[in-house]
Amino acid sequence: QVQLQESGPGLMKPSETLSLTCAVSGYSITSGYYWGWIRQPPGKGLEWIGSIFHTGSTYYNPSLKSRVTMSVDTSKNQFSLMLNSVTAADTAVYYCARHMGGTHCFDPWGQGTLVTVSS
Amino acid sequence: QSVLTQPPSVSGAPGQRVTISCTGSNSNIGAGYDVHWYQQLPGTAPKLLIYGDTNRPSGVPDRFSGSKSGTSASLAITGLQAEDEADYYCQSYDSSLTTLYVFGTGTKVTVL
Repeated sequence: QVQLQESGPGLMKPSETLSLTCAVSGYSITSGYYWGWIRQPPGKGLEWIGSIFHTGSTYYNPSLKSRVTMSVDTSKNQFSLMLNSVTAADTAVYYCARHMGGTHCFDPWGQGTLVTVSS
Repeated sequence: QSVLTQPPSVSGAPGQRVTISCTGSNSNIGAGYDVHWYQQLPGTAPKLLIYGDTNRPSGVPDRFSGSKSGTSASLAITGLQAEDEADYYCQSYDSSLTTLYVFGTGTKVTVL
């Protein structure tokens, strides 16, 4: 079945650029669907960050758009997120997920990776 | 700030029925966009529970059901079980271009 696995730095300092990768197994990302990133600050709710198609077509949350860049590497069957100028407010568990066409739900999700921004 | 509002918590005894509301507006649920529900067990990633307002993915017990009317949607859990204790989130699309894909504020279900 489809599985997603996030990888990232864990701990960052303010103003740095966050870089996360989501490795997909059990499904070729070129077979269709968008692929998305969602984050969850500790003890808080979920926030959609953006989604990308295997062709590189993207759409981002307007509130984060100025700081977000997503990319895809079809040769490695993975996609990535970059978020620049991070602050403590960007501390969160970051999830990647398959973004289903048609209904636009997210399924399945990766296990998530905690990113802490602290000086 | 989420545009989909849920009650912070609901509770029920084992075997009881509980419902969780998800209130939106004419730019999301009221515009006819699909509503989806996710279950997040403690310390784990969200899992799709209901998609397209009323549909259950394979493997989701039929104790879980979804409905939608006007600018609101609801998730019902019948025959509440201890393993249902979790956070639940609704999600939809918003055409106001403020966030596009929006999640609800989340509801903690406690089994008494």
